[in-house]
Amino acid sequence: EVQLVESGGGLVKPGGSLRLSCAASGFTFSSYSMTWVRQAPGKGLEWVSSISSSSTYIYYADSVKGRFTISRDNAKNSLYLQMNSLRAEDTAVYYCARDRGDYVPPEYFQNWGQGTLVTVSS
Amino acid sequence: QSVLTQPPSVSAAPGQKVTISCSGSSSNIGNNYVSWYQQLPGTAPELLIYDNSNRPSGIPDRFSGSKSGTSATLGITGLQTGDEADYYCGTWDSSLSAYVFGTGTKVTVL
Repeated sequence: EVQLVESGGGLVKPGGSLRLSCAASGFTFSSYSMTWVRQAPGKGLEWVSSISSSSTYIYYADSVKGRFTISRDNAKNSLYLQMNSLRAEDTAVYYCARDRGDYVPPEYFQNWGQGTLVTVSS
Repeated sequence: QSVLTQPPSVSAAPGQKVTISCSGSSSNIGNNYVSWYQQLPGTAPELLIYDNSNRPSGIPDRFSGSKSGTSATLGITGLQTGDEADYYCGTWDSSLSAYVFGTGTKVTVL
């Protein structure tokens, strides 16, 4: 059974940093591209970033480019999102998702984690 | 503001059919596959349709997808109370170099 478990969310002040993690199991992690999607309270889904299986290809939404960094450790079956210079508008539930395969750019997201809440507030 | 436009809400009685439209452009829907996601209240999204019209295993055939030009449509037949959820379309936008989701549609079973 595919499992994606996010962690690392919490309350952070504007301008602060946070690192999200996603622990994957139930599939060959190193064979899949992975993605972060976020959802602000009461709002729709927003794609944040995607990374190919070997980290060769990385994509970011304009809203986070230059502030967020996606990475992965295939030996640890883990996906990460380093978030710097956080703003109030970054407040959202952040979901980790498994892509179709090792396709770039991303085509669809076949499995999702339960999400982790990030709140940016003073 | 999303580049994929969906109606904010649709509703119908149990057993009836609803359709949800997703309107885009040649840089997204017109030249890329569309997927659909269902988000039940308080839960994570779930893949419903991929490659315009394919259903993952476990998704009932009451759900269907289609695409024509720069628009896509999700259909739900035999509506059930358990179908009350938010539905999102999604695809890659080649001009933006970004994955884009639709604005979302809330389905209400009357």
